[in-house]
Amino acid sequence: GESVGLHLPTLSVQEGDNSIINCAYSNSASDYFIWYKQESGKGPQFIIDIRSNMDKRQGQRVTVLLNKTVKHLSLQIAATQPGDSAVYFCAENGGDSWGKLQFGAGTQVVVTP
Amino acid sequence: EPEVTQTPSHQVTQMGQEVILRCVPISNHLYFYWYRQILGQKVEFLVSFYNNEISEKSEIFDDQFSVERPDGSNFTLKIRSTKLEDSAMYFCASSGLAGGVGEQYFGPGTRLTVT
Repeated sequence: GESVGLHLPTLSVQEGDNSIINCAYSNSASDYFIWYKQESGKGPQFIIDIRSNMDKRQGQRVTVLLNKTVKHLSLQIAATQPGDSAVYFCAENGGDSWGKLQFGAGTQVVVTP
Repeated sequence: EPEVTQTPSHQVTQMGQEVILRCVPISNHLYFYWYRQILGQKVEFLVSFYNNEISEKSEIFDDQFSVERPDGSNFTLKIRSTKLEDSAMYFCASSGLAGGVGEQYFGPGTRLTVT
């Protein structure tokens, strides 16, 4: 039979603009969150993480914001570049201590010149 | 920069055959994982492994699946009798921190095609 894949939400961004990717997580027990970037044909690449005792963390050109009240996570990419084109996944640990990660559906980011 | 490696990059097998997917985690890491991603779908957890035993597994990881760390560097996933629905990308990951919560680094994946 025909397989049905996810229809990923797509964010189109002009090169040089800032990108904001959103993620709603489901498990209130989650205390650790990670953003991954996945380019076509490759494995997920770690971008940035945040623990539940923080609401903001900054990396190089990226910022993660965590709002535990509404169970929302966002990733901001400053000055988006063509190399940022990829699928971005948020992942949560569900409060699990053994490292099991639950991935979201992903957002396709397309950077246009 | 240390990285997780996986072999083969692509494995084609017939339904009912056994396959072994191989991974070399980052050398000082303590926790090892297998995930899979069916084409166009989200990444799904299969199993975590620590101190030479499974620490957690998902409902996908049934009796047809097994993992092993046969030596100090390799980590393998075996599927005893493959089914068509096992076709997916299989990712190995490793992390180093005590308690398993920490940055998980993923390998490039093995694409398994079951015909």
